[in-house]
Amino acid sequence: KAGVTQTPRYLIKTRGQQVTLSCSPISGHRSVSWYQQTPGQGLQFLFEYFSETQRNKGNFPGRFSGRQFSNSRSEMNVSTLELGDSALYLCASSLASDTQYFGPGTRLTVL
Amino acid sequence: AQSVTQLDSHVSVSEGTPVLLRCNYSSSYSPSLFWYVQHPNKGLQLLLKYTSAATLVKGINGFEAEFKKSETSFHLTKPSAHMSDAAEYFCVVSGSFQKLVFGTGTRLLVSP
Repeated sequence: KAGVTQTPRYLIKTRGQQVTLSCSPISGHRSVSWYQQTPGQGLQFLFEYFSETQRNKGNFPGRFSGRQFSNSRSEMNVSTLELGDSALYLCASSLASDTQYFGPGTRLTVL
Repeated sequence: AQSVTQLDSHVSVSEGTPVLLRCNYSSSYSPSLFWYVQHPNKGLQLLLKYTSAATLVKGINGFEAEFKKSETSFHLTKPSAHMSDAAEYFCVVSGSFQKLVFGTGTRLLVSP
């Protein structure tokens, strides 16, 4: 089975712009979670989607949003980018159990 | 609320010697606990998972972890380190609705 894929792998944006990241889960997985990884804050949970519904959300401002499509693919969007949004964004997918499998991440740099 | 504490930010070992990465957890109920590994510029790879079936959990690449409820610990061990084990290791506890709570990570350095 193919693993979790994330596109693009690298992004460079400027402050004030918006960005959309994409995640394709492992085939058959209906839960997709997003995490932000930074040197200062470590790995932090953003949100989780299951069957197109957001079930859980972390402590991030409203500029961070996401959605899930009927084929379980997910996107996250960050609007009005700030320098502090520079991070590795990781997507993970899972079946009904809580074991999550991670993609390679998207490295976002905000200039 | 669930949390994990990784007791060492860096651990240095020589190739062929044992590895011990320490993790303590806090959970209001019987937790699911994981160890993930992250190699430089890579995503996270699942090493092993504990879900109350057995206290000693065997994972990939020769790693194992022992769940000790009395000590609220879930330490990761490997009998003999290999150069390819050099990476960052995360102890993780599962919260509600797939929310994973990560420790701050332990960087394992392996010298020849």
